[in-house]
Amino acid sequence: EVQLVESGGGSVQPGGSLRLSCAASGFALDNYEMNWVRQAPGKGLEWVSFINIYSTTIYYADSVKGRFAVSRDNARNSVFLQMNSLRAEDTAVYYCARETNYRVTSAFDSWGPGTLVTVSS
Amino acid sequence: SYELTQPPSVSASPGQTASITCSGHNLGAKLGDKYVSWYQQKPGQSPVLLMYQNSRRPSGIPERFSGSNSGDTATLTISGTQAMDEGDYYCQVWVSSLGVFGTGTKVTVL
Repeated sequence: EVQLVESGGGSVQPGGSLRLSCAASGFALDNYEMNWVRQAPGKGLEWVSFINIYSTTIYYADSVKGRFAVSRDNARNSVFLQMNSLRAEDTAVYYCARETNYRVTSAFDSWGPGTLVTVSS
Repeated sequence: SYELTQPPSVSASPGQTASITCSGHNLGAKLGDKYVSWYQQKPGQSPVLLMYQNSRRPSGIPERFSGSNSGDTATLTISGTQAMDEGDYYCQVWVSSLGVFGTGTKVTVL
């Protein structure tokens, strides 16, 4: 069974840092590109970041560029999101999402339960 | 900035058809020239992939869900809506390798 489990969320003051982890099981992580998607309380989904299989191609949403860094360790079946200079508007549930390639396009076919990040003084 | 606009809410009676639209703005191309995915999110749960490549259903997704995409609008249709279909629905595309989600639509089954 495909499973993604995020961890590392919590409460942090503005300007602080957090490192999120996503543990993958039930599939070979090194066969899939991965993404982070977030959802502020009561709001919609917002794509955050993409990392390809070999960590050679990485993309970020403008809202987090320069502050967040995505990485992965295929040997440890894990994906990470280092979040620095956190702001109140970064408060959200952060989801790890597996991206499956359907030849002409790709989509997020598996999601973790999410981990809540709260940025507040 | 890239935008996908959805109606905030859609309602339908059980057994009726519900349609959710997704309109593209500032995408650099017509939405119909891109491939749209749809996600369903029930309260307190993670999103689930409902449709990819405009109209293809992943394994396990009921046939009452269908999709289309033409011009500047993509549409998700639920035929024979059931109470279990209540939830939030999001369209999504890739624009210049960046993920873009729609604003979301809350579906209520009356």
